[in-house]
Amino acid sequence: SAVISQKPSRDICQRGTSLTIQCQVDSQVTMMFWYRQQPGQSLTLIATANQGSEATYESGFVIDKFPISRPNLTFSTLTVSNMSPEDSSIYLCSAGDTENEKLFFGSGTQLSVL
Amino acid sequence: AQTVTQSQPEMSVQEAETVTLSCTYDTSESDYYLFWYKQPPSRQMILVIRQEAYKQQNATENRFSVNFQKAAKSFSLKISDSQLGDAAMYFCAYRATGTASKLTFGTGTRLQVTL
Repeated sequence: SAVISQKPSRDICQRGTSLTIQCQVDSQVTMMFWYRQQPGQSLTLIATANQGSEATYESGFVIDKFPISRPNLTFSTLTVSNMSPEDSSIYLCSAGDTENEKLFFGSGTQLSVL
Repeated sequence: AQTVTQSQPEMSVQEAETVTLSCTYDTSESDYYLFWYKQPPSRQMILVIRQEAYKQQNATENRFSVNFQKAAKSFSLKISDSQLGDAAMYFCAYRATGTASKLTFGTGTRLQVTL
């Protein structure tokens, strides 16, 4: 199984600022994804982080608001830009390999926007 | 579009007893994967069990087993000999095969384990 380190684990931010969340996997993986989990809700996919190319965003999420980088097969970042209180959520990174079709998750970033 | 439905927002079980969490899904695909994830208060999403749709045999992982009914599009999780550490949110998830496929999650079931 892959071990995924995500940081920061939590942060409190001011409205209008940006936060970058890092996701590090201990092995090379084919797939990396970013999810949002709003308070008391299920997980919603934000985007698929593609290595060496632009991320693929789901309906309702745009690159200007959630820019994503994936410079190699073990690392990705998600930036939450121009934050508002509605962005207060848990953000989770997940990664996996097509070989076994299992996806693993980081421990999430708890973001609060004041 | 694929959807995953968990109709039980909360469940409760006594320690050492057995509990079953329900999940139904909708898809037009013939080949896919189904998962149960556990999310304790630590927020970590932990993979509990996985089922490949092409396998008729139900998956089992120690005290956790599934009842997979492909025709009925049902995928329930049975937890035997429940332990206090099993208390968590449980999410059912679906994923079609393929490298770009994503997980679609249900709304979750909160499981309480009582003494």
